[in-house]
Amino acid sequence: AAGVIQSPRHLIKEKRETATLKCYPIPRHDTVYWYQQGPGQDPQFLISFYEKMQSDKGSIPDRFSAQQFSDYHSELNMSSLELGDSALYFCASSSTVKAFFGQGTRLTVV
Amino acid sequence: GIQVEQSPPDLILQEGANSTLRCNFSDSVNNLQWFHQNPWGQLINLFYIPSGTKQNGRLSATTVATERYSLLYISSSQTTDSGVYFCAVGVRVSGGGADGLTFGKGTHLIIQP
Repeated sequence: AAGVIQSPRHLIKEKRETATLKCYPIPRHDTVYWYQQGPGQDPQFLISFYEKMQSDKGSIPDRFSAQQFSDYHSELNMSSLELGDSALYFCASSSTVKAFFGQGTRLTVV
Repeated sequence: GIQVEQSPPDLILQEGANSTLRCNFSDSVNNLQWFHQNPWGQLINLFYIPSGTKQNGRLSATTVATERYSLLYISSSQTTDSGVYFCAVGVRVSGGGADGLTFGKGTHLIIQP
């Protein structure tokens, strides 16, 4: 069965650079979520989209933005990167509430 | 915001043992899910269980929504069960979709051969 696809799997950026993470949800899923998981931490909700409209917002920094496109894929844009942004970034999708997570993008800021 | 507490924080067991993981939450929710994060970081959805009891093989879960807790049972543990088990709660939105999940700190389970 198709799963949530995230790219890239690994990303290394320098401080103050910009990063774009991509997410391709499971086909026919109507909701996409983004989460950030720091080392040894639990996942923290950033933002979600329902049918391409922003539906909920969590602890997403102002330096971050996200959108969902007409083909339902989503992108998380991160600017002015800081060392503390180093984390595992997950995308998840759902059709009936049960959330399925991608394998994550590991971002390292140096 | 809603608080989610999981216990125990750490658990070390021998292969074949049974275990019970607990999740307490501070407010009414209609969305509760259990996840397993394996040592490679992958998050696997085990159950969507806002109330009642479900079973899937050696795993089962029970949520008592009126008392604001959920339990995850693992029977006949295997080394592949090792990892972190997260409870996550949220609210389903009328009209479709769901708000983001609030995760507990997790239970770190180690199954020794």
